[in-house]
Parts: sequence; structure tokens; C-alpha cells
Amino acid sequence: GAVVSQHPSRVICKSGTSVKIECRSLDFQATTMFWYRQFPKQSLMLMATSNEGSKATYEQGVEKDKFLINHASLTLSTLTVTSAHPEDSSFYICSASPAGDSGNTIYFGEGSWLTVV
Amino acid sequence: AQSVSQHNHHVILSEAASLELGCNYSYGGTVNLFWYVQYPGQHLQLLLKYFSGDPLVKGIKGFEAEFIKSKFSFNLRKPSVQWSDTAEYFCAVRANTGTASKLTFGTGTRLQVTL
Repeated sequence: GAVVSQHPSRVICKSGTSVKIECRSLDFQATTMFWYRQFPKQSLMLMATSNEGSKATYEQGVEKDKFLINHASLTLSTLTVTSAHPEDSSFYICSASPAGDSGNTIYFGEGSWLTVV
Repeated sequence: AQSVSQHNHHVILSEAASLELGCNYSYGGTVNLFWYVQYPGQHLQLLLKYFSGDPLVKGIKGFEAEFIKSKFSFNLRKPSVQWSDTAEYFCAVRANTGTASKLTFGTGTRLQVTL
């Protein structure tokens, strides 16, 4: 079946550095992808909607200059956490639906654990 | 904007007990509703979803949910839980726009099934 893959699955970075997380749709094209954040034992909170070929749409309270999203192709969206701090440590999850599917099927990535030390 | 409430934060059941997890949403228009499960250390898996039609939806692993429009509810049920059902359960809603619109998740319910 269709798969959404995230890379890396786990990353540890030093405070002040930037880290990039990739979200790929492996066998379908997605004009829209979504990035969520999940703190331990909490729910998923939508961070932004990634739109292929245009700017991402950020949810209220999410710093667009800190969480850079690039959706350069129909199969790849990247989330870059810039100048990371320990409070950015979290589980980041992306989702995508096949283009033309009207959102009937949503595929989630495996998630990426970010630890900032 | 839509919102989702899951009133049960932590539920402990013995094996073979019946399960019902509450989910209420707030949105003025037509919605799509989902239940996801997250097993420890794993990613989200879709249990079932409701888009339209029969309000009683059957999903995987013996789960079902009933959409009651008048109550803005989409409660998850299972007649007899198993130890392997221990997981976090999330209800989610999105506006039915006919496109890949964003999901709003509830805070989740942690189900613990004891032997």
C-alpha cells in the first residue's frame, strides 16, 4: 500500500543548530502535506500545511521563521527546525493524501524524534 | 474552526470487558471523523473513519464507532477488549471540504488492558 516515509526517524542535535526532517510519499504524489508535533503523552498538534510550489500555511502560534517548510516536489516536503532549543524536542509527524483523492485517504509517516541537547 | 474533546484521558479495563471511548466535536458544517490508534513506540494507524452514509462504522480489529449528528459525537466501541489493545486512541475531525484538509485531533485516551 501507499507509504509516507520520514527521515531521520531519530535525531539528536546540539542547541543552536538546525536540523532537517524529510517527509516523502513513496508511491503517490501529494500536493498537500501536513506537519504535526506531538509532545510526550499529548495529542498531535498541527503545525503547518505544506503546499507544493507555494508557501506553507502555518497554524497560529507556530513561528514560520523557526520551522521552515519547503515542499519542492510532489513527493517531498521538508521541515527544518532552525536554531533548535531543548524545548523543540518533540515527535514530528507528517501526513499526506494522494493528489486527486479529495483527502479520502490519509497516510501518516512513522514520525521523527528530535532531541535537542 | 473545529475542535475535538475526548473526555476519558486514561481508561483501565480487564480483558474481555467492553469498551466505549467518548469523542465530541465542535464544528458548524459537515465533517469527516476518524479514530486512530497509536501503539507504544509506533506510528498512528487508522482504526476507522466516517465520511457519509451509515452512521455506524466498522473498523479494523473489531472496533466500531457511531456518528450521532445531533450529539456531535463519534464514540468508539469494542465489545471485548484484548491485552493487545493497550494503546493511545485519538479521535480526529476535519471539515468535509472534498479536499485534503487538515485534521484536528483530540487529546487522546490511554487505554490500559489488564490480564
